[in-house]
Amino acid sequence: DSGVTQTPKHLITATGQRVTLRCSPRSGDLSVYWYQQSLDQGLQFLIQYYNGEERAKGNILERFSAQQFPDLHSELNLSSLELGDSALYFCASSVELAGAPTQYFGPGTRLLVL
Amino acid sequence: DAKTTQPNSMESNEEEPVHLPCNHSTISGTDYIHWYRQLPSQGPEYVIHGLTSNVNNRMASLAIAEDRKSSTLILHRATLRDAAVYYCILRDPRSAGGTSYGKLTFGQGTILTVHP
Repeated sequence: DSGVTQTPKHLITATGQRVTLRCSPRSGDLSVYWYQQSLDQGLQFLIQYYNGEERAKGNILERFSAQQFPDLHSELNLSSLELGDSALYFCASSVELAGAPTQYFGPGTRLLVL
Repeated sequence: DAKTTQPNSMESNEEEPVHLPCNHSTISGTDYIHWYRQLPSQGPEYVIHGLTSNVNNRMASLAIAEDRKSSTLILHRATLRDAAVYYCILRDPRSAGGTSYGKLTFGQGTILTVHP
């Protein structure tokens, strides 16, 4: 158990819909990262937040957005869903912003878009 | 980010040592070598990291070549629970530039199969 929790574990929805994925980081971790894992693209970094502020963006689509709340939990919002958005979405947290050697990953949310 | 090259797959027998290689010929002087692994149906988990010297922890050992252009993750006695995808990742702790700060760049990794 990494200490990072993600809800829900599974999500099935239809194209065009909007969903919200939730992540609670390890106690004391200020940095939260979101990753997407699909069969064809592998594990890809989407976005990072540190203490409520966006710090880095990766290959995140404009239809996707995220935020980190004052209690440090984070939400990833996916809208206008397409079949290709079906993937595993992982959240990770770490203590420091810069150079942190270890990121702790949650169990992931499996999204299926039909 | 500097690129790493790993074999697509490797096999081992239980209780035998496993040596997982990684080539990183374009590594910079400030890049740390990190290893993560992903067990089936789980999120990635940190294994070990190092800069220049060999490193040991309770999970594994990391052997780094003198020129740092390659490294080897060593599992001293493989168990069935070690069957996973192993990722070798280079990280610059300075993480200069807003788009690269802190992220992990995963390649395809090595699928390790452990036979009983």
